[in-house]
Amino acid sequence: QVQLQESGPGLVKPSQTLSLTCTVSGGSISSGSHYWSWIRQPAGKGLEWIGRTYTSVSTNYNPSLKSRVTISVDTSKNQFSLKLSSVTAADTAVYYCARSGSSPYFFDYWGQGTLVTVSS
Amino acid sequence: QSALTQPASVSGSPGQSITISCTGTSSDVGSYNLVSWYQQHPGKAPKLMIYEGSRRPSGVSNRFSGSKSGNTASLTISGLQAEDEADYYCCSYAGSYTWVFGGGTELTVL
Repeated sequence: QVQLQESGPGLVKPSQTLSLTCTVSGGSISSGSHYWSWIRQPAGKGLEWIGRTYTSVSTNYNPSLKSRVTISVDTSKNQFSLKLSSVTAADTAVYYCARSGSSPYFFDYWGQGTLVTVSS
Repeated sequence: QSALTQPASVSGSPGQSITISCTGTSSDVGSYNLVSWYQQHPGKAPKLMIYEGSRRPSGVSNRFSGSKSGNTASLTISGLQAEDEADYYCCSYAGSYTWVFGGGTELTVL
């Protein structure tokens, strides 16, 4: 059974870079069969797709966040990471990591989510 | 790329059927049969309920079904049960390797 677990600082100062890691267990991130995404949810609001990676070379990002986002993979640790630069209060949200399923068009496994608050 | 439009809330009594709509554009929902639906209970991660418009993952009750007409996708839950009370989100492929979610619908089982 695949499991995903987010980790990282729960508090980030405005203008700094938000950094999160998703550790995958129960399967290899480098198997080549799946895409790995980050999705966020501000409190009381809907979900927003941030971006995805297949390998660190193959990435796709939400156009509204593209200038600030980097998603990368560390196959040696079976992890993938999110970096979001120049954060503001609007970036305060629960951040989820998720795996795409047998086809890349849906998300079949999700982490439990981690709350990141942007505040000085 | 704008969020898909869902009703803020729907409700139904146990045993009844309800339908949640998800309206997009000809650039997302209307162009692809790649809508997925997620159920989210409070404080929990979303759970995949429907993918590729109408396909159910293993383990999801056949009370859940999906369909699409034009730029609008729909999720129907039949035989409503108390455990179905949750938030539901639609998601569509939007082209150019990007995805867009709906704003979410709160389902109340009366």
